[in-house]
Amino acid sequence: AQSVTQLGSHVSVSEGALVLLRCNYSSSVPPYLFWYVQYPNQGLQLLLKYTSAATLVKGINGFEAEFKKSETSFHLTKPSAHMSDAAEYFCAVTTSGTYKYIFGTGTRLKVLA
Amino acid sequence: ETGVTQSPTHLIKTRGQQVTLRCSSQSGHNTVSWYQQALGQGPQFIFQYYREEENGRGNFPPRFSGLQFPNYSSELNVNALELDDSALYLCASSLKDRGYEQYFGPGTRLTVT
Repeated sequence: AQSVTQLGSHVSVSEGALVLLRCNYSSSVPPYLFWYVQYPNQGLQLLLKYTSAATLVKGINGFEAEFKKSETSFHLTKPSAHMSDAAEYFCAVTTSGTYKYIFGTGTRLKVLA
Repeated sequence: ETGVTQSPTHLIKTRGQQVTLRCSSQSGHNTVSWYQQALGQGPQFIFQYYREEENGRGNFPPRFSGLQFPNYSSELNVNALELDDSALYLCASSLKDRGYEQYFGPGTRLTVT
C-alpha cells in the first residue's frame, strides 16, 4: 500500500525567501508523485508531477521538486516566495495498476510581507 | 479540448436525504475517479469507474455509489446523508492506460445540515 506524509501542516516564509514543503512517500513499487495547490474554495491545480523520467521536475509558477528514491522524498521548493503562493499544498502518490491517488494531509503556506 | 466539469458547484442537503453529483470527463478520457475532501484534509479516494463498471473502491460505505455512462460522464450518489458527508467532492478523469495522469474538476461543495 502507498502512503504520503507531509511534514508541517503550516509553514510560514517571508516574501522573497525560499519555500520548502516536505513530502515523504511509501510505496513497494515505483511511484508516480504529484504536487497540487489549492486556493480557498477552489479545486486542485497541478503544480508538477514525477513519472519516472527526470528526477528533478520543474513545474508551474517557479516550483520544482526532486525525487530522491534513497530518501523516499519528493520535496517541493521555490527559490523566492511570492504573496500569491499563499495556499494549501498537497503531495500525492499513485502507482500503475491501482491509479488511485493517495494524498497527504496538506501543508498550508503563509507568506509574510 | 474541454476540461473536466462538475455540477452543481454548491448544494445544501438535509441529513437523511439523497444527493447526486455529476461529472463530465475531459474529451477522450474513459476513466473517472471520485474523491472526497473533508474540510482541512486531503482528498480521499472513493471509487473509480471504467467501461461503466466500478474499477476500485476506497474505504467508503455502500451508500456511496456511482454510475458511468457510455459517453464516459459519471454520477456520484450518496444515500442517507450524514453530517460528516459535508465535503468537497472532486471528480478526475484519465485514460485507462495512463491512469497516473488524472485531471481534476473544480469540485462540488456539499453541505449537509
